[in-house]
Amino acid sequence: KQEVTQIPAALSVPEGENLVLNCSFTDSAIYNLQWFRQDPGKGLTSLLLIQSSQREQTSGRLNASLDKSSGRSTLYIAASQPGDSATYLCAVSPYNTDKLIFGTGTRLQVFP
Amino acid sequence: DVKVTQSSRYLVKRTGEKVFLECVQDMDHENMFWYRQDPGLGLRLIYFSYDVKMKEKGDIPEGYSVSREKKERFSLILESASTNQTSMYLCASSSGRRNEKLFFGSGTQLSVL
Repeated sequence: KQEVTQIPAALSVPEGENLVLNCSFTDSAIYNLQWFRQDPGKGLTSLLLIQSSQREQTSGRLNASLDKSSGRSTLYIAASQPGDSATYLCAVSPYNTDKLIFGTGTRLQVFP
Repeated sequence: DVKVTQSSRYLVKRTGEKVFLECVQDMDHENMFWYRQDPGLGLRLIYFSYDVKMKEKGDIPEGYSVSREKKERFSLILESASTNQTSMYLCASSSGRRNEKLFFGSGTQLSVL
């Protein structure tokens, strides 16, 4: 059974720092992996989607990498800002099910 | 801009009431999903649908039903609301069968008293 883990569960950093959020999954048989952002009391916003054949995707200050064989993905946020404060979730799309499997998220706080 | 719209942002209902949560997407997506999100439990899939009039059970379908009469609309029904169904409900949609980019609505916070 596919399991998705995100470490750390919470992170607090000063503005301007570069930071890395981690996502690990137990079964490498996946179509893709997505990173989402969720603000308190709101829905999720898709940030980046990496297909299984890709190694990384970039959008602005965000860069997501995927190492399928080791079951790991990282989300790199450059020059963090207070507006980046949110919960970040990753999710995988496994071969053997039509359902996305979500991690429990990393709650990020960037303070001025 | 693509949009998934949930009809209510906040909803308060009484135990035993029949509750309808509506979701509409304007992207002509085939797939639609209903999740609930609870602190410490993360996102859990209730039901999903790949096409009009089709539905599949997710991980926690008990106490819920769904309806998809039109491609753009996916309704979640709580047949007889109970206090343990107090939660944030999130609707999402995507295209294709391999869970391409998932678009979420802004959520409905349901309180059952």
